Parts: sequence; C-alpha cells; structure tokens
Amino acid sequence: KQEVTQIPAALSVPEGENLVLNCSFTDSAIYNLQWFRQDPGKGLTSLLLIQSSQREQTSGRLNASLDKSSGRSTLYIAASQPGDSATYLCAVLSGANSKLTFGKGITLSVRP
Amino acid sequence: GAVVSQHPSRVICKSGTSVKIECRSLDFQATTMFWYRQFPKQSLMLMATSNEGSKATYEQGVEKDKFLINHASLTLSTLTVTSAHPEDSSFYICSASPGGQGIEQYFGPGTRLTVT
Repeated sequence: KQEVTQIPAALSVPEGENLVLNCSFTDSAIYNLQWFRQDPGKGLTSLLLIQSSQREQTSGRLNASLDKSSGRSTLYIAASQPGDSATYLCAVLSGANSKLTFGKGITLSVRP
Repeated sequence: GAVVSQHPSRVICKSGTSVKIECRSLDFQATTMFWYRQFPKQSLMLMATSNEGSKATYEQGVEKDKFLINHASLTLSTLTVTSAHPEDSSFYICSASPGGQGIEQYFGPGTRLTVT
C-alpha cells in the first residue's frame, strides 16, 4: 500500500527566504508525482506534475524534483512571498487502478 | 482546458436528510471520476472510483449504501450522501480523468457539507 509522508506539518519563514518542502513515498512504482496548493477552505490548485521518467519540473519560482528510486520529491520555492502562504500537498499516482495517494500536507506561513 | 466544476460549493442540511453533489467535466470526456473526502487538518482520502456506465468501486471502510455514486455520462458524476449525520460533515472533492493508466486527474473546487 502506497504511503506518502510530508514532514514537517507546518513551517514558518520570513519573506524572501528560499525554502524546500519534502515529500517521501513508500512504493517507487509510480506513474507521476504532483504538487498541489490548497488555500484554507478551498480546492486544490495543481502546481507541478512530474512524470516517472522525469527528474524535475519548473514553473516560475517553483521547482520540483523527483528521485523515484529513493522515493523522494522536493518542492523548492525561491524568494518566498506572503502570498505563498498555503498548504502544500504532495500526491503520487500509482497502482493498477491509478490511484492518487496524498500526503497530509505542509502548512506554510511566510511572514512579511 | 481540463476544467472540472462542482455544485453546490457549500451546503447545509439537517441530520437525516440526503444531499446530492454534482461533478462535471466541462471541456473533456471523463471516463473515470474520483470522489475524495477531506476532514479538517487532514489530507484527501479517496472514497470511490467510478467509470462511466458502470458501478463505482468503493475504498475499504466507505459505505456504498450511504454514499451513492452515479456516473451516468462522460461529463457528469453525482455523489449522494444519504441520511446524513453530523459526522458526515466534511469537504468533498471530485476529480476527473480522460481514462487510462497513469493519466492525470483534474480536480473540482470542492463542496463543503455541513450537517446540523
């Protein structure tokens, strides 16, 4: 059974800091890994999707890497801003039925 | 492209009543739709997977007689919470996929259900 872990559960940083959010998963046989953003009381916004054959994806100030063999992914946020404050969820697509398994998320607070 | 809508966005109902939530894929045909539930401070948990025209597959621990799922067309799936109780209060999110293994899912904005 696939399990996704995100540690720590919460993170507070000053504005302008570069930061790394970590995600680990137990079964390396994945189709892809996706990072989402969720604002309080809202749905999911897809940030980056990395296919299993890829090593990283970039979008603006965000960079996500994937090391499938070690079951790890990182989301790098450059020059953080207060508007980046949200919960960041990592999810992996795996299994014969293509199920998406989510981590519990990391709640990020960027202080002005 | 790949837009998924949900209706309603918020619903409050009384204990014992039923409530229906709709999930629509607006610009693609969704062979497969998924329903998730998210409790406060928790992650999304898959409730069931539905393929157009066939019965939904429920995850372990999810009561299929309580959470009725219908996927009657390639653009619409519905989740009906029957005889709702306060413990069913949660955030329900659907996703849709064009189908096939390893294909990306596109998420709706979610429905906040409060049962009083």
